[in-house]
Amino acid sequence: EDQVTQSPEALRLQEGESSSLNCSYTVSGLRGLFWYRQDPGKGPEFLFTLYSAGEEKEKERLKATLTKKESFLHITAPKPEDSATYLCAVLASGGSYIPTFGRGTSLIVHP
Amino acid sequence: EPEVTQTPSHQVTQMGQEVILRCVPISNHLYFYWYRQILGQKVEFLVSFYNNEISEKSEIFDDQFSVERPDGSNFTLKIRSTKLEDSAMYFCASSVDGYEQYFGPGTRLTVT
Repeated sequence: EDQVTQSPEALRLQEGESSSLNCSYTVSGLRGLFWYRQDPGKGPEFLFTLYSAGEEKEKERLKATLTKKESFLHITAPKPEDSATYLCAVLASGGSYIPTFGRGTSLIVHP
Repeated sequence: EPEVTQTPSHQVTQMGQEVILRCVPISNHLYFYWYRQILGQKVEFLVSFYNNEISEKSEIFDDQFSVERPDGSNFTLKIRSTKLEDSAMYFCASSVDGYEQYFGPGTRLTVT
């Protein structure tokens, strides 16, 4: 069974304090790994897609990286507006085109 | 920038009533999805729709649920007889190629 585990469950940072969120996955083969941001009471907002080990994507203060077993979302010098839940989803090889979502990491950035 | 829209934003209904949740996917997208998220829990897949038919569905998507694309723009989720445990946020998503999915803002369904 495909599994996606995100850690930590919650993370509190001071403004400017860089850190990383982890998404580890167990799938038979990887079609793609997706990162989303979700604000309270809102729908997930697409951030990045990663397809193969070694790939990196960047957007403003966020950088996503991928290995064969995990992905990291690095947040550099975060601001309070980066506070949100960050979701990882994995699309495995095979007949299904439905991604498996992790439970997310709740990030709070204090001013 | 194109976006997925959903109506209503909040629906309150009594147990046993039928509800219809509406979505307008991004116009050039071909794949459509419904998910739900119970407060504090994971995003759960319900059903996917492609080429005017259901392509995949989860165990949650039983006979009480149905989906329709009644015209070229709308995509609906119907729950025939709501239960208390159907209370959740329902998200519609669409994708151009079945990979990156773009989510709507959600409908909060409260069953009393």
